[in-house]
Amino acid sequence: ELKVEQNPLFLSMQEGKNYTIYCNYSTTSDRLYWYRQDPGKSLESLFVLLSNGAVKQEGRLMASLDTKARLSTLHITAAVHDLSATYFCAVTSYNNNDMRFGAGTRLTVKP
Amino acid sequence: DAGVIQSPRHEVTEMGQEVTLRCKPISGHNSLFWYRQTMMRGLELLIYFNNNVPIDDSGMPEDRFSAKMPNASFSTLKIQPSEPRDSAVYFCADTRNSGNTIYFGEGSWLTVV
Repeated sequence: ELKVEQNPLFLSMQEGKNYTIYCNYSTTSDRLYWYRQDPGKSLESLFVLLSNGAVKQEGRLMASLDTKARLSTLHITAAVHDLSATYFCAVTSYNNNDMRFGAGTRLTVKP
Repeated sequence: DAGVIQSPRHEVTEMGQEVTLRCKPISGHNSLFWYRQTMMRGLELLIYFNNNVPIDDSGMPEDRFSAKMPNASFSTLKIQPSEPRDSAVYFCADTRNSGNTIYFGEGSWLTVV
C-alpha cells in the first residue's frame, strides 16, 4: 500500500527565514504533487514532479524530487506571511491514478 | 474554464437522511476522484473513476456510501443513511487531458446532526 509521510506536521517560522518540508513515500511512484490549502478553502496545485532530479520553482517555493530515495522536498526561501497555509504532498503509483496524500504541514509565518 | 464544480457547497442534514453530493468535472478529463477531508483523518481517497468506470472504491467507508458517474460530465456521491461521523468536507477532483495535474473543486461541506 502506498504511504506518504510528511514532516514536520507543524512549522512556525519567522519572516525572512528559510526552511524545508520533507515528503517520503513508500513505493515506486511516477508523479509527485505539492498542494497548498488555505483555511476553509480548496487545494491549489503548486507543483507536479515527474522524474528523478526534477526541480521546480515558483516565487519563494522550490520543490525537488529524488525517486531513488523516494523523497521530495519543498523549500521555502525568505518566508513571508502570505505563505502561511497547509502544504500537502501527494503521490501516484505507477500504472495507477490512485493519489495518496500526506498528512499536511501547517505553516505559520510570523512577522 | 469553470473548473470542477461541486454542489451543494454547504449542507446540514439530520442523521438518517440521504445526502447526495454532485460534481461536474472539467471537460475532457481523464480521471475523477472523490476525497473526504477531516481534521482527524486528513485527506482520504474514497473512489476514483477512469473514463467513467470505477477503478478503486476500497476507500469507501461502508455500504452507506455509493458513487456513480453516468457520463463524462457528472458524478454523484451518495450517503444513505447519513450519520454524524460523516461530517466532513468532500472534494471532487479531476485531471485534464494531460493527466499530470489534478484539479480540485471547492468542496462540499457536510454537517450531519
